Amino acid sequence: AQSVTQLGSHVSVSEGALVLLRCNYSSSVPPYLFWYVQYPNQGLQLLLKYTSAATLVKGINGFEAEFKKSETSFHLTKPSAHMSDAAEYFCAVSRLGGFKTIFGAGTRLFVKA
Amino acid sequence: EAGVVQSPRYKIIEKKQPVAFWCNPISGHNTLYWYRQNLGQGPELLIRYENEEAVDDSQLPKDRFSAERLKGVDSTLKIQPAELGDSAVYLCASSEASGGPTNTGELFFGEGSRLTVL
Repeated sequence: AQSVTQLGSHVSVSEGALVLLRCNYSSSVPPYLFWYVQYPNQGLQLLLKYTSAATLVKGINGFEAEFKKSETSFHLTKPSAHMSDAAEYFCAVSRLGGFKTIFGAGTRLFVKA
Repeated sequence: EAGVVQSPRYKIIEKKQPVAFWCNPISGHNTLYWYRQNLGQGPELLIRYENEEAVDDSQLPKDRFSAERLKGVDSTLKIQPAELGDSAVYLCASSEASGGPTNTGELFFGEGSRLTVL
């Protein structure tokens, strides 16, 4: 069985500060891992994905995430937060072939001016 | 390229009334999903279609929920009768065929249908 745990339902940072959103996963098979972002009243859109190639994955809007198998983690980072980054972020896991994506509960990011 | 289209965006009904949501996936995507997203939570799968076949409906409350995907393209999700606890956002997503060699599990979401049951 697969599962995802996102640590912290809310994260608040100042504009220009480092963004770190934590995600740990559980999977009995090599996982595919994703970060999605959801802006208010919109659907989810893909930020980045890990599919067993490079462990450091770069995504859109300056975000990146590192797959650490030993820690079963896939934390999302951005060196400098922007006001437009304020949104809800979801970590997700699926299996090879795209079967049954499981989402975490989400982390809401607040960016202070 | 057009994305996943859902309608209506918002729906307010009284309990015990029926409601239906419609989804048109990305052209060429064989797999279609309906997710439910409760307030402050992540999406939870209700049903997954491969073409017109429902291959995973284990989380669909079949006493009041039904879904169909005629001709393997558009899909409709229905709730009858609606209960207060059904208030949520219903998200439709599509992807390449599950099990395909190039499928990484990336999902393409519509904007969702927000249901409020009074």
